[in-house]
Amino acid sequence: KAGVTQTPRYLIKTRGQQVTLSCSPISGHRSVSWYQQTPGQGLQFLFEYFSETQRNKGNFPGRFSGRQFSNSRSEMNVSTLELGDSALYLCASSPGRAGSDQPQHFGDGTRLSIL
Amino acid sequence: GENVEQHPSTLSVQEGDSAVIKCTYSDSASNYFPWYKQELGKGPQLIIDIRSNVGEKKDQRIAVTLNKTAKHFSLHITETQPEDSAVYFCAASPGGSQGNLIFGKGTKLSVKP
Repeated sequence: KAGVTQTPRYLIKTRGQQVTLSCSPISGHRSVSWYQQTPGQGLQFLFEYFSETQRNKGNFPGRFSGRQFSNSRSEMNVSTLELGDSALYLCASSPGRAGSDQPQHFGDGTRLSIL
Repeated sequence: GENVEQHPSTLSVQEGDSAVIKCTYSDSASNYFPWYKQELGKGPQLIIDIRSNVGEKKDQRIAVTLNKTAKHFSLHITETQPEDSAVYFCAASPGGSQGNLIFGKGTKLSVKP
């Protein structure tokens, strides 16, 4: 069974631009969560999508948004990029809503660098 | 909200020794505690998890213990091997409708041959 697939693996952007990252969950998984990983802040939750609806949101500004399609694939968008947005963006999928009976499995992430 | 603290931040052991990583959490409503292993250039890999109604769980050389009263949980790796070298993260899930994971800062484990 294929794992969580994230594209692209690496991305370089400049301040002020916007970016879209893609995530394909494990086949049959309907929940997709996004996390940001930085050396200073560690792993931080961005949002969760289930059945094409945002179900839960972390403490990030409105520049960070996402969506989920009917095939459970998800995209994350960051507008007006700032230097501090440089990070590894990770996507995790689970069969149902993320929770105690639904372990989350991560992809290898998209490394975003802002110049 | 939930806060997870993880210790130590770095751990160096000789091959064959045991390694123990400890985490504490603040929200008594948290009910799910996974552990992830992250190798360089890869995403976190789920290695073991425990739910709040269980005190201990084992999977070959890996075990996790949970003390709900003290609000701490630990990862135990026995007979360590060089391929166990990686960064390990503990996490807690607040439960209810919030299934997002709150992560500790990570432990870099080095196993010396």
